[in-house]
Formats: sequence, C-alpha cells, structure tokens
Amino acid sequence: KQEVTQIPAALSVPEGENLVLNCSFTDSAIYNLQWFRQDPGKGLTSLLLIQSSQREQTSGRLNASLDKSSGRSTLYIAASQPGDSATYLCAVRRSGTASKLTFGTGTRLQVTL
Amino acid sequence: SAVISQKPSRDICQRGTSLTIQCQVDSQVTMMFWYRQQPGQSLTLIATANQGSEATYESGFVIDKFPISRPNLTFSTLTVSNMSPEDSSIYLCSVVDRGDYEQYFGPGTRLTVT
Repeated sequence: KQEVTQIPAALSVPEGENLVLNCSFTDSAIYNLQWFRQDPGKGLTSLLLIQSSQREQTSGRLNASLDKSSGRSTLYIAASQPGDSATYLCAVRRSGTASKLTFGTGTRLQVTL
Repeated sequence: SAVISQKPSRDICQRGTSLTIQCQVDSQVTMMFWYRQQPGQSLTLIATANQGSEATYESGFVIDKFPISRPNLTFSTLTVSNMSPEDSSIYLCSVVDRGDYEQYFGPGTRLTVT
C-alpha cells in the first residue's frame, strides 16, 4: 500500500526566503506526482504535475523535482511571499491508468512580513 | 484544464437530515471523484462516479450513506444522508484529465452538522 509523507508538517519563514517542501512515497511504481495548494476551507489548486519519466517541472517561482527510485519529490519556492501562505499537498498516482491519487498529510506554510 | 463548480459552497445542517451536493464540470469527463476532508486531515476518497454505471465506493463508505448520481458526463451529485456531527467536513468533487492524468478539484462544500 502506497504511503505518502510530507515533512515538515508546518513551516514559518520570513518573506523573501527560498524554501523546500519534501514529499516521500513508499512505492516507486508511480504514474505521476502532483503538487497542490489548499487555502483554508477551500478546494485544491493544482500547482505542478510531474510524470514518472520526468525529473522536474517549473512554473514561475515554483520548481518541483522527482526522484522516483528513491521515492522523493521536493517543491522549491523561490522568493516567498505572504500570498504563498497555504497548505501544500503532494499526491502520487500509482502506475495504471485508472488508479487513484494517494495524498500526503500536507505542509502548512506561513510566510511572514 | 477543467473548471469545476460545486453547490452549495457551505451549509449548516441539523443532525438526521440529508444534504445533496452538486458538481458541474465545464467539459465532458469519464471519471469523477468525491472526496472528504475532515478538519485538520488530508483527503479521503469516498467514491468514483462513472457515467452510466454504479459508483465505486472505497472501504468504509457505503451507498446508503453517500448515494451518488452521475446522469451525464458533466454533472454529478453526492448526498450525505442521515447526517451526524462526524460528517462535518469539506466535500470535494474532482476530475482527471485523461490526456496526462492531471487531477482537478472543485472549490469544495463546507458542511457543518449540528
């Protein structure tokens, strides 16, 4: 059974800092991995999707990497802003086209002024 | 990408009543998913709703408690029946893009049961 862990569970940084969020998974037979952002009481916004054959994806100040063999992904946020404050979730899709996402427990990020 | 809307966005309901949540997608999709997120927790899949067939429920979820309809390729409903305070959660509708298997979520329905 796939298990997804995110470290740290919570993180507080001053505005402008670069930061890294970590995601690890136990079964390396994945189809893809997705990073989401969730604001309090809201739905999930897809940030980045990495297919199993890719090593990284970038969108603006966000960069996600994937090391499938070691079961790890990182989300790098450059020059953090207070608007980045949210919970960040990673989710993995097991190999197989109809398989479901397994979610991590999330990292709650607060960017302070 | 898919744009998903949900109604209602939030509701406060009394114990023992039922609430139906609607999910509308701006494009035709084969699979729709319903998730629950209890306070402070991550997401748990309730069921997969396929058009033209019965929904497939995950372990711990039953059709009598969470009946689902999927009348066409852009719409689904989830009913939370005979509610108790333990059903207080955010309920999220989701779809997957069959091209690259990127998953998208609706804005959620925040349910409080008193």
